[in-house]
Amino acid sequence: SQQGEEDPQALSIQEGENATMNCSYKTSINNLQWYRQNSGRGLVHLILIRSNEREKHSGRLRVTLDTSKKSSSLLITASRAADTASYFCATDAYDYKLSFGAGTTVTVRA
Amino acid sequence: GAGVSQSPSNKVTEKGKDVELRCDPISGHTALYWYRQSLGQGLEFLIYFQGNSAPDKSGLPSDRFSAERTGGSVSTLTIQRTQQEDSAVYLCASSLARVAEDSNQPQHFGDGTRLSIL
Repeated sequence: SQQGEEDPQALSIQEGENATMNCSYKTSINNLQWYRQNSGRGLVHLILIRSNEREKHSGRLRVTLDTSKKSSSLLITASRAADTASYFCATDAYDYKLSFGAGTTVTVRA
Repeated sequence: GAGVSQSPSNKVTEKGKDVELRCDPISGHTALYWYRQSLGQGLEFLIYFQGNSAPDKSGLPSDRFSAERTGGSVSTLTIQRTQQEDSAVYLCASSLARVAEDSNQPQHFGDGTRLSIL
């Protein structure tokens, strides 16, 4: 079963705007990861945040983690058309496999 | 190549036939994972290999599904007597070994095999 749930399911923004998506999960985790999937392709790892971290940055990406609320957010700043993709959060609950949510589909309009 | 390679990229077959999907992980990655992604859904875990052994087969949906890995490298996922509900994209990922239960390794994915059962 899927542990993570992303919100919103879909997001449409103008190029240059910021995109924010959220992920909630149910159990204790070792880390939480965000992945991007372009249409017809595999998943690309974006960023990993450990359970003892609260915020992490990578380029235009900012991830937060609140273990007390069992939630995470992914912020993409100054979005570009190339950011159009589906974004998935995945939790590592100390059992080797990742549990994925259903994803947020982001469309960036030129 | 540098990434995870999966073949075939697309497979169309008739209900009841057997299919074999192949995954070639990144060189040096001892951990290998199979997932299934149905249309518009997230990924469903199927099986995990550490080297040639599969300590976690908990996600295999039925006994029609099996997987093996030889030489600590290439893995094959076999689906026997395929059913229409098996139609999905099957994704393979690999990662470096976890040195401890709480170590952190991202997974690297192939582009998947899109399986269609007629």
